[in-house]
Amino acid sequence: AQSVTQPDIHITVSEGASLELRCNYSYGATPYLFWYVQSPGQGLQLLLKYFSGDTLVQGIKGFEAEFKRSQSSFNLRKPSVHWSDAAEYFCAVGSTSGTYKYIFGTGTRLKVLA
Amino acid sequence: NAGVMQNPRHLVRRRGQEARLRCSPMKGHSHVYWYRQLPEEGLKFMVYLQKENIIDESGMPKERFSAEFPKEGPSILRIQQVVRGDSAAYFCASSPTSKNTGELFFGEGSRLTVL
Repeated sequence: AQSVTQPDIHITVSEGASLELRCNYSYGATPYLFWYVQSPGQGLQLLLKYFSGDTLVQGIKGFEAEFKRSQSSFNLRKPSVHWSDAAEYFCAVGSTSGTYKYIFGTGTRLKVLA
Repeated sequence: NAGVMQNPRHLVRRRGQEARLRCSPMKGHSHVYWYRQLPEEGLKFMVYLQKENIIDESGMPKERFSAEFPKEGPSILRIQQVVRGDSAAYFCASSPTSKNTGELFFGEGSRLTVL
């Protein structure tokens, strides 16, 4: 069955430290991959997406993610975290066959220490 | 250019009442999706609609839930006889085409609390 796993429910980092949020997926083919961010009480904002091509994807707010087919992973990274990055981050998978049903992970809640 | 608009942002209902959630897609978008986010969980797909058509409702609970996207006006997600387990954030998303070659644009959600 298709699934997305975000193994870290909570992560705490100090401001200025680097960040990596993990995402593993189970999928029968090469999926479309997304990272969304959700601030408290807000909707979802797309950080970045991978469809094909270069496996290192740059997104907004200084985020990047790397697609590793051999590991079925799409980890999100940021070299230096800002206090405003505190939010919940969701990894999602979409089908390349044209379906619209995104499968979301359960999210990782990021806390940033001043 | 307005994004996906959802209202109400917050809704409180007592058990047994009806809840109606509205969604206006982005301008130029003709495809609407509803997702539900239960507390401490990720979003789960509920239903996909185009104008006047339900394309896929495989994620909808079999009873009490219905959705529509009329020719004129917003899409509506309707929950009849709400129960406490319906308390969740309901997100609407839209896209300009049915093929998943781009992102879904999400609204800010409607948060339903059932007392």
